[in-house]
Amino acid sequence: QVTLKESGPALVKPTQTLTLTCTFSGFSLSTPAMRVSWIRQPPGKALEWLARIDWDDDKFYNTSLKTRLTISKDTSKNQVVLTMTNMDPVDTATYYCARVSGVEFDYWGQGALVTVSS
Amino acid sequence: QSALTQPRSVSGSPGQSVTVSCTGTSSDVGGYNYVSWYQQYPGKAPKLMIYDVTKRPSGVPDRFSGSKSGNTASLTISGLQAEDEADYHCCSYAGNYAWVFGGGTKLIVL
Repeated sequence: QVTLKESGPALVKPTQTLTLTCTFSGFSLSTPAMRVSWIRQPPGKALEWLARIDWDDDKFYNTSLKTRLTISKDTSKNQVVLTMTNMDPVDTATYYCARVSGVEFDYWGQGALVTVSS
Repeated sequence: QSALTQPRSVSGSPGQSVTVSCTGTSSDVGGYNYVSWYQQYPGKAPKLMIYDVTKRPSGVPDRFSGSKSGNTASLTISGLQAEDEADYHCCSYAGNYAWVFGGGTKLIVL
């Protein structure tokens, strides 16, 4: 059974760095073709793809946010970490991690709401 | 990448069919057969319903079907049921390891 769960701070201040952790089970990121992405959804707005990390440590970022994002993995802990620097109130959103199967997101975490406010 | 265009809402009565459209460009929807659809209940995580334009994951009822023509993809739900009332999001691969989503469509079952 594949499960993913996001964790991290619910509130961050403007200009701070956000660190989110995705802890998953039911698959291994050391297995070829396994991939995990981060996706966010501002309140009442569209989903937005942020980043992806592959089993071979290849990393891909949304070009609009690339300078602020870093994705990494700890295979031994079954975790993927996303950091986003220089947080702004417009970054307030529910952040999801999802497993990537082929080109689609087949399993999603429950999401973590992050509010950016002073 | 600009978000794909979806209607804000669609509605139908139980037993009817409804179609949700998703319009992009030749750089995303029109350029790849990699459109997926996600169902999302309020406060819940999205669930994959259709991938590769027309394919259904195991466990998804065959009432859900997908298609594509040019730069527009469509999700059709036949035999509408009350439990189908949810938000539906389309997503397309956009090349260069990037994905773009639609704004979401609220399906109202009358």
